[in-house]
Amino acid sequence: EDKVVQSPLSLVVHEGDTVTLNCSYEVTNFRSLLWYKQEKKAPTFLFMLTSSGIEKKSGRLSSILDKKELFSILNITATQTGDSAVYLCARSDNYGQNFVFGPGTRLSVLP
Amino acid sequence: DTAVSQTPKYLVTQMGNDKSIKCEQNLGHDTMYWYKQDSKKFLKIMFSYNNKELIINETVPNRFSPKSPDKAHLNLHINSLELGDSAVYFCASSQEGPLVYNEQFFGPGTRLTVL
Repeated sequence: EDKVVQSPLSLVVHEGDTVTLNCSYEVTNFRSLLWYKQEKKAPTFLFMLTSSGIEKKSGRLSSILDKKELFSILNITATQTGDSAVYLCARSDNYGQNFVFGPGTRLSVLP
Repeated sequence: DTAVSQTPKYLVTQMGNDKSIKCEQNLGHDTMYWYKQDSKKFLKIMFSYNNKELIINETVPNRFSPKSPDKAHLNLHINSLELGDSAVYFCASSQEGPLVYNEQFFGPGTRLTVL
């Protein structure tokens, strides 16, 4: 079964810290890697990555994909309490279907 | 405007009952999905529908059946509900295609509790 693995599974930091969340996947018929943030309700989209080595940025968040080593990282700099959430990583297959999600990383940012 | 909507938001029912959850998207997307998120927060795809055709059917019990009356709707019917069906069910949609970025948009979720 195709797997998406995330690490760490949980992380507690203080405001202002920088965190790096990891995601690795096993499938080779890969199309895109997606990152989501889930607070109390539905996941909200953060990034979609399809090409290796190209960093995507949105404010304090950034992400990059390594298609050779089959992993992606999500960086959050100068964390704030509002960043506390579960961060989910998912990959889609060649046709943009069959999304497989990882277990998520639960990030807690303390004041 | 709500992009992906689900009804009801909460559903509490007895074991053995049959229930439906509705989903609608107004994004003009080709593909819609149903996900189950269990108590451990693990999100797992159940079904996806493209142009009224089931294209992925993970190993879910046949008590669960997706029904799509048109491209904008994908309803989930569950027969003979069991305790283990208690979870949050998310509907999502995306635009399919090799040249189209396939970001998924999620509905707000339906929390199903089976007593």
